[in-house]
Amino acid sequence: KAGVTQTPRYLIKTRGQQVTLSCSPISGHRSVSWYQQTPGQGLQFLFEYFSETQRNKGNFPGRFSGRQFSNSRSEMNVSTLELGDSALYLCASSLEQGQETQYFGPGTRLLVL
Amino acid sequence: GNSVTQMEGPVTLSEEAFLTINCTYTATGYPSLFWYVQYPGEGLQLLLKATKADDKGSNKGFEATYRKETTSFHLEKGSVQVSDSAVYFCALSPRRGGSQGNLIFGKGTKLSVKP
Repeated sequence: KAGVTQTPRYLIKTRGQQVTLSCSPISGHRSVSWYQQTPGQGLQFLFEYFSETQRNKGNFPGRFSGRQFSNSRSEMNVSTLELGDSALYLCASSLEQGQETQYFGPGTRLLVL
Repeated sequence: GNSVTQMEGPVTLSEEAFLTINCTYTATGYPSLFWYVQYPGEGLQLLLKATKADDKGSNKGFEATYRKETTSFHLEKGSVQVSDSAVYFCALSPRRGGSQGNLIFGKGTKLSVKP
């Protein structure tokens, strides 16, 4: 069974731009969570989607948003990029909402210049 | 609130040495506990987990026991290999089987194993 896939793997943007990252969960998994990883803050939870609805949200500004499609694929969007948004963005999938075992993708590394 | 504290690294060991990475947690209720590993340039891989007190998770020679009385979940391996060099993250899920789908991670411990 294929794992979680994320595209693109690497991205360079400039301040003020917006970016959209994509995540395809493991086949049959219906829940997708997003995390931001930075050297300073470590791994922080962004949000969780299940059945096309955001079920849980971390402590991030409204510039960070996401959505989930009927096939469980998910996208996250960051608008008005700031230098501090440079990070590795990780997507994780699980079978159902709130299921504790999550499987991670390779991440998208975003660099904001 | 919920939090995870890991020993700070980096940890440098010789091949075949014994490994312990300490992890303690603070949580309300009955969390599940996890160890994830991140190899250079990659995402996180689930290494092992334990869902209730006194459970022992094990995988690839690594073990960790869920100790409720000491709120700990220390990672151990009897004989490390160079290929074990990676960053290890301890994590908790706040509600076992509950509606919260987020994991709370420690800061990570970088392990380097020398031949």
